[in-house]
Order: sequence, then structure tokens, then C-alpha cells
Amino acid sequence: EVQLVQSGAEVKKPGESLKISCEASGYKFTSYWIGWVRQMPGKGLEWMGVIYPGDSDTRYSPSFQGRVTISADKSISAAYLQWSSLKASDTAIYYCARLEGPIDAFDIWGQGTMVTVSS
Amino acid sequence: DIQMTQSPSSLSASVGDRVTITCRASQGISNYLAWYQLKPGKVPKLLIYSASTLQSGVPSRFSGSGSGTDFTLTISSLQPEDVATYYCLKYNSGPLTFGGGTKVEIK
Repeated sequence: EVQLVQSGAEVKKPGESLKISCEASGYKFTSYWIGWVRQMPGKGLEWMGVIYPGDSDTRYSPSFQGRVTISADKSISAAYLQWSSLKASDTAIYYCARLEGPIDAFDIWGQGTMVTVSS
Repeated sequence: DIQMTQSPSSLSASVGDRVTITCRASQGISNYLAWYQLKPGKVPKLLIYSASTLQSGVPSRFSGSGSGTDFTLTISSLQPEDVATYYCLKYNSGPLTFGGGTKVEIK
């Protein structure tokens, strides 16, 4: 079964760093792109960026460039979303999802990781 | 950037009703349009891609249509398990952009 399993919910303070994960199984990890999508409380979906684990080619939405880092470890079929200094406005559910190309529909999604940033 | 305007933002319908959700692009996007179903605590689900192609395993009561700037998701006979929020996504070019979502409830 093709699936993406994300790491668990996180509660952090402003200024702290965080790295959440997305583990893939059931398909060849290096042949598909992985994207990240944000859903802020009570709001819609926003595309953050994508990575191709085969060669680590990474593309960011202008809205998130410089705010987050997307990475992948093909040896363990995992993708990551990372912050160096969290803000309260980063509170959201973050989804990872698979794509066939960098500009494509997401076909398989993870279950989401809730990140809460509060002092 | 191309904007996606989705309507209505919410709707309430009876079991068995035909439900229609619309997405309008600010510029033509050919048929690069997908529809998703999100339920709280569940994995989001791809319903339709290429504007009208039903994803494998999705019930046939779901259908999509449109091309260019105007697109529609139709549920032919609303079922209790269809209570969810639905989003369109345009993917003809970057950045990928979602519509604002439509919350579907049972009357």
C-alpha cells in the first residue's frame, strides 16, 4: 500500500526550532516529488514547496522561501520540513503529499502534523 | 499569479440531493484542475484530476467538468459520508494554488 506517514503533533515556543517528517512506503521514493501544504486554523490550503528525493531538487513557494527548509533522506525514504525559529503564526496543520512532477496534482497525502507555537 | 475562486464557501443539502461546487480561475488553466476531499483527522483524498478524471476507488457519484477558467465538482446523490470540506487545486504552472474550500453539511 502506498502511504505517507507523518510525525506526531508538536508544541513549541516562539523562537524554537523544529523538524517534522514524512515517511514514504509502498513505492519508489526517488521517482516522485514530495510537497508540503499548510492549513492554518480555520483556513484553507497553501502550497509551500516540493522536493525531488532523487536529486534533492527543491522548489519553494515565494510565500515560504526563506522561512522553511525542505529536505529529504532517500536512504530512509523520508522527507522533512524544518523551521529554525518558529513564530506563533506557524501554528497550523502541515501535510506532506506525493506528486509525479514539480507542478502536478498531489495524489497521496499524509495524515497531517499539527504544530502549535505558543509561549 | 492565478487566483482560484471557489463557491459556495459552505452548503447544506439533504441526503440524496445533487450538489454542485464551482471553481473559477483568474486565467485559463486548460484542464489542470484537481478536486480534494478533506475530513477532520483523516488523510486528504484526491477525487478528480485533469478536471474530469475520476481517481481510482472514488465513488462514481463524484464527477468533475470544465476547462479553461470554469470548473465544477458534482456529487450526484449526497451521502452522509460526503460531509467534508472540498478544495480545488490548479496545477498548470507554479505556484500551485488551492481554492478557498467548500464545507458540505447534511441538512
